[in-house]
Amino acid sequence: QERLVESGGGLVKPGESLRLSCEASGFTFSDYYMSWIRQPPGKGLEWVAYIRSGGGTKFYADSVKGRFIISRDDAKNFLYLQMNSLRAEDTALYYCSSFDFWGRGTLVTVSS
Amino acid sequence: DVVMTQSPLSLPVTLGQPASISCKSSQSLLYGDGNTYLNWFHQRPGQSPRRLIYKVSNRDSGVPDRFSGSGSGTDFTLKISRVEAEDVGVYYCMQGTHWPQTFGQGTKVEIK
Repeated sequence: QERLVESGGGLVKPGESLRLSCEASGFTFSDYYMSWIRQPPGKGLEWVAYIRSGGGTKFYADSVKGRFIISRDDAKNFLYLQMNSLRAEDTALYYCSSFDFWGRGTLVTVSS
Repeated sequence: DVVMTQSPLSLPVTLGQPASISCKSSQSLLYGDGNTYLNWFHQRPGQSPRRLIYKVSNRDSGVPDRFSGSGSGTDFTLKISRVEAEDVGVYYCMQGTHWPQTFGQGTKVEIK
């Protein structure tokens, strides 16, 4: 069964960094394009970043461009999101997804 | 960015009756490869989103056939032929043709 499990969320102060991880299992991870999507508390979905299989092509939402870096390790079946210079508006539940499959999310809270 | 506009934003429905959600994009979603990358997702309360429909009208595995998607260009529709209790939640359209990928605001479906 396909599974995505996110980790690494937590409470940080504005300006700090956090690295999210997503472990994939039950499918051939290296074959899939992957994304991070976030959902602020009580609000809708926002696409954040995307990486193609092989990791050579990446896209970012304007709101995170220059601050967040998406990467993947196909040998270990992991997707990552390095988040730097965090802001209050980055507070959200962060999902790892191929759009076919979704994780349960990891909560990031940015507050002083 | 491509703006995805859903209507209505709230949809009270009667069990067993049909329901319809509209999604309009600010630009054509027809890609150069001939595909139209319009997806529909369903998010039940407290759960992760689940994709129902991809490329306008293709149902994902396990999605009941009471769900159907249609449309072209900039106008798309998700229809539920007979609403069941498990269909409550928020429905999102999402375009994958243009970068950044963008979601609609969401349509909350509840039982009358």
